[in-house]
Amino acid sequence: DQQVKQNSPSLSVQEGRISILNCDYTNSMFDYFLWYKKYPAEGPTFLISISSIKDKNEDGRFTVFLNKSAKHLSLHIVPSQPGDSAVYFCAAKPAGANSKLTFGKGITLSVRP
Amino acid sequence: GAGVSQSPSNKVTEKGKDVELRCDPISGHTALYWYRQRLGQGLEFLIYFQGNSAPDKSGLPSDRFSAERTGESVSTLTIQRTQQEDSAVYLCASSHGETQYFGPGTRLLVL
Repeated sequence: DQQVKQNSPSLSVQEGRISILNCDYTNSMFDYFLWYKKYPAEGPTFLISISSIKDKNEDGRFTVFLNKSAKHLSLHIVPSQPGDSAVYFCAAKPAGANSKLTFGKGITLSVRP
Repeated sequence: GAGVSQSPSNKVTEKGKDVELRCDPISGHTALYWYRQRLGQGLEFLIYFQGNSAPDKSGLPSDRFSAERTGESVSTLTIQRTQQEDSAVYLCASSHGETQYFGPGTRLLVL
C-alpha cells in the first residue's frame, strides 16, 4: 500500500512557464513534507519542505502548497528553467525530528528550452 | 566537503557473494538512514540509527541484510549471499533535525 503517491510519472513544460508537481498521501500521521530533486547518477538533493502547521512555503522560484484536508501537496516552480529537468520526489514523515521518510515514486520533469 | 559520502560508488558482484557498503554522515548529525531505490521505484526505507538507541530495522527486506554504526560516525550496510533482486542504488542520509541529506549512493549490480 503506497502511502505517498505521485500519480503522474512525467511532466513536460516550456521554459519560463510554471511547473506544478502533485503529491497525495494517505497516512494522517504524516506531519512534515519534503521535496527532493534528483539528477541521474546523483543522490537526492533537498529542495523545500513544509510543516503541517502551514499551508504554503516559498523559497525563490519554488513554492510548496499543503492541503491537509485533501491530503495533497504540490510543488510549483516558476519560472521553469531547463536546469530544473530532473526527477522530483515527494516525501513525508510523522512528527519528530528523526524519523524515516516515506517517498513517492517520483515524477520526471522536462523543461523544454 | 561537508556532505554525506558513500563508497564504493559502483559495485558489481556475483550472485551469492557478500557486499559491504559504507556511509560517512555529515559531522554532527545524530541520525543516519539507509534507503534503496530499485529501477523505476521510489526510495525504500531500510534502517535508521539514532544516537545510542536501538536501530529501527523495520525496513530490512530479509535477514541477509544488516547494518552497523559506530557511535555517531560511519555506518556499513552488509548484504550477505546477494541475489539479483538486490540490484539497486543504496542511499545513505543523515540528519540533525527534520531534513535528511543524502549521499550520492552506491549502485549495486548483482549478476
